[in-house]
Parts: sequence; structure tokens; C-alpha cells
Amino acid sequence: GAGVSQTPSNKVTEKGKYVELRCDPISGHTALYWYRQSLGQGPEFLIYFQGTGAADDSGLPNDRFFAVRPEGSVSTLKIQRTERGDSAVYLCASSKEAVGEQFFGPGTRLTVL
Amino acid sequence: KQEVTQIPAALSVPEGENLVLNCSFTDSAIYNLQWFRQDPGKGLTSLLLIQSSQREQTSGRLNASLDKSSGRSTLYIAASQPGDSATYLCAVPNSGGYQKVTFGTGTKLQVIP
Repeated sequence: GAGVSQTPSNKVTEKGKYVELRCDPISGHTALYWYRQSLGQGPEFLIYFQGTGAADDSGLPNDRFFAVRPEGSVSTLKIQRTERGDSAVYLCASSKEAVGEQFFGPGTRLTVL
Repeated sequence: KQEVTQIPAALSVPEGENLVLNCSFTDSAIYNLQWFRQDPGKGLTSLLLIQSSQREQTSGRLNASLDKSSGRSTLYIAASQPGDSATYLCAVPNSGGYQKVTFGTGTKLQVIP
């Protein structure tokens, strides 16, 4: 595609529910990043994929968060047993190569009630 | 642990003024540094990427410089316009074989017509 896309754009869920957030990177980009951004803050790194493998998942806050990229393209961020503190904008970015220029999607705004 | 600081947190200038935004980082072992702008409720738009071997990078009215040894980067905006109003963020991926990316908290710029 022309740019990074993310779905859904907005997600409202109840505390304790499971959610999946999807990211479609730019075609041909091997690197993919997930970030979380709270109001008034810069994006906070969650996880980085190079191809299909998670090269660095040190930013995932706890084991309720998990991300996959099974075919080296689309990625899904999965959050189990959501908590109100998970409410934030989840951003995805891709780059052509490792440590290359990153291009961001519009984000998914997650609200946990 | 890499820490990125952006000063000032907010800036308001009249249209036409030249201005400088600052980004400081604590660990100088970086691959590159990237500047972004973020409009309210939107994702991030890449402005400039400076490789660690470069001193500066230019795109139109924007000029970014990098001084690795002092842990600083500046973004210079010439002849500011109301359309430049946005939050500007800098980001550095850590070196050392991992791709964790650290963002600053941003500078919110308002250009007054």
C-alpha cells in the first residue's frame, strides 16, 4: 500500500476483555515497530520485528501484551485482560531496513472502560 | 538507558520567524536520529533522518544538525508559517544491536498569523 495502515482506528472495550490491533506496513518494509502513546507524551517503544521475528520486545509492559508477524508483513498486537491503564493510542511504524527511516500509521485509539 | 529531552516543551512565535528546536540525548552511541511532526489526533510524519556519520540534513525550510559527542540535535525552521504548527518529536534508536527507539516528549509549536 501507499502508507502504513492500522485497524481499527478506534476501539472501545471493557476491562478484562481481549483486543487485537492490526498493522499493515508499507509493502517491502522488513522492519516493523509498535509504540504506545499517552496524552502529552512521546511514543513509548513496545516491540520491534525484523521480518517474522521479534528482534526486541523489551518494551512490552507485561505478559498481557503479545505481538505477532507470522508472514513478515501484517502484524497484530494482542492485549489480554485489558486494564484501564492500557488506554492509549497504539502506533505502528515500518522501515525499509533495520534502523532505517520510520513511517508511521495513523494509530489505533484504545479506550478501556 | 537512553533518555531524550526536548526543550522547550512549548513555543509560540509570530509568522515569518526563524526558530530552533532542541533535542538532547544521554547515550551518544546512536545509529541515527529522526525528526517527526505530529498534528493533533494524527500519527507521526517523518521530517528528516540524520545518520550518525552526518552533521546535518536539509529538506526545504527545515535543517537538522547532529552533534553526537555532545548528545544534541537541533531542528531549524526558516520563515515559519501557521501550517508549521504541530508537535515536533525527535527519536533515537539505540545502538548495540537492539532496535529499541527512544522518543523525546516533544515541542509543541504554535505559529501565529
